[in-house]
Order: sequence, then C-alpha cells, then structure tokens
Amino acid sequence: IAGITQAPTSQILAAGRRMTLRCTQDMRHNAMYWYRQDLGLGLRLIHYSNTAGTTGKGEVPDGYSVSRANTDDFPLTLASAVPSQTSVYFCASSESASNEQFFGPGTRLTVL
Amino acid sequence: GQNIDQPTEMTATEGAIVQINCTYQTSGFNGLFWYQQHAGEAPTFLSYNVLDGLEEKGRFSSFLSRSKGYSYLLLKELQMKDSASYLCAVRDSNYQLIWGAGTKLIIKP
Repeated sequence: IAGITQAPTSQILAAGRRMTLRCTQDMRHNAMYWYRQDLGLGLRLIHYSNTAGTTGKGEVPDGYSVSRANTDDFPLTLASAVPSQTSVYFCASSESASNEQFFGPGTRLTVL
Repeated sequence: GQNIDQPTEMTATEGAIVQINCTYQTSGFNGLFWYQQHAGEAPTFLSYNVLDGLEEKGRFSSFLSRSKGYSYLLLKELQMKDSASYLCAVRDSNYQLIWGAGTKLIIKP
C-alpha cells in the first residue's frame, strides 16, 4: 500500500541519549519534510529535502540532523536529546515543493 | 515576521454550516492550504488556493483574498466526523509552509 511510514510510534528517551526517527515513503516523492507539533503551536519545520542528496534547514533545526541518501528514506537524528525536544514529530512528503504534502502517522517522543 | 492567525476553537451544530477564518502575513505568497487533523492522527490535505476566489469540493469550500491576506474554510451539512482541528498553512517565497496553530472544531448533536 502506497504511503508514508514512521518508526517508532512512540518513545520515551533519557536526556543526553541519541535517537533516530525513521521515515520511509514509497510514492517516489522528491521532497520530504520533518515537522514537530507542540500544543498551541503550529507545525514547525525542522529540516527538509527537495530531492535525494540535498537537505535544508527549516525554522527550528538546532539539535537535529537529517540525511537523504535515497528517494525513499529521510531519517531524523537527535544527537543528544533534551527535554524541550519532547513533541510529536511528523514526517511528510510531496511530489515536489510545489505540491501538497502527505503526512506520516507521527512519532510521539518524550525526553525525560 | 511571519504569522498565521486562526481562532483557537469553534463550536457548531450537526447539519449546520461553519466558517473557519485564517489571516496571514508572510514573506511572499505561493498558495494557501487547508488540512484536517483528527485528534491523535496526522494532518490530511483538504484544499489549495493560489488565486482569489472560491474553490468548492463537496461539502467543503475554501476562499482566498490575497489583497486582504485572508482565507476561510466553509463546511456545510456538518457531520459528527467533522469534529477535528483545521490547519491553515501558507507557502512562502522559499516554498516552505508556514502553519497556523489550528482551529479545533467541536460538533454538537
């Protein structure tokens, strides 16, 4: 079934630990995005990739890194987690930067 | 700075009509999107406006006025399943989406 998947669904993490959130899409979309969603705030863009091999910084990139080695996968890494990174993380993809975005089911991350 | 404003919460009655407003101030404009998000789920695409006017899609319509920096989402014949948050997002000059905080719509029988 075509779509976008994320793993894990949820995670509790000790502060200072390293964590990678996985995102995979099988729609052959060129563009992919990572957002965080916090209560009372709009979705905020962390990092994006307009095509495989390229990445860019969004509104809130500090403490996060991404890679785009191929079209399908766009992992998000927290090098040393802090409690302020507690959030729901959504991965999204679109055919190009000009098209609507399709979202994965999200990862609920708690950093203690 | 960039800003998207929408009401935090609205209540409406099943079978009625509701209009959710969105005003924006962004660096450039390359289209406005509306998404629906049920509690605990991912946002799903509803509509897209890039030119002024009304776009109709079944029970949902979306309107845009670029000169006023204003859009609304109109939901007709409300059903209980329409209870959700509705997110307004504007694509700016860098082709990035700037998101409002969302409007939580509560439908009462």
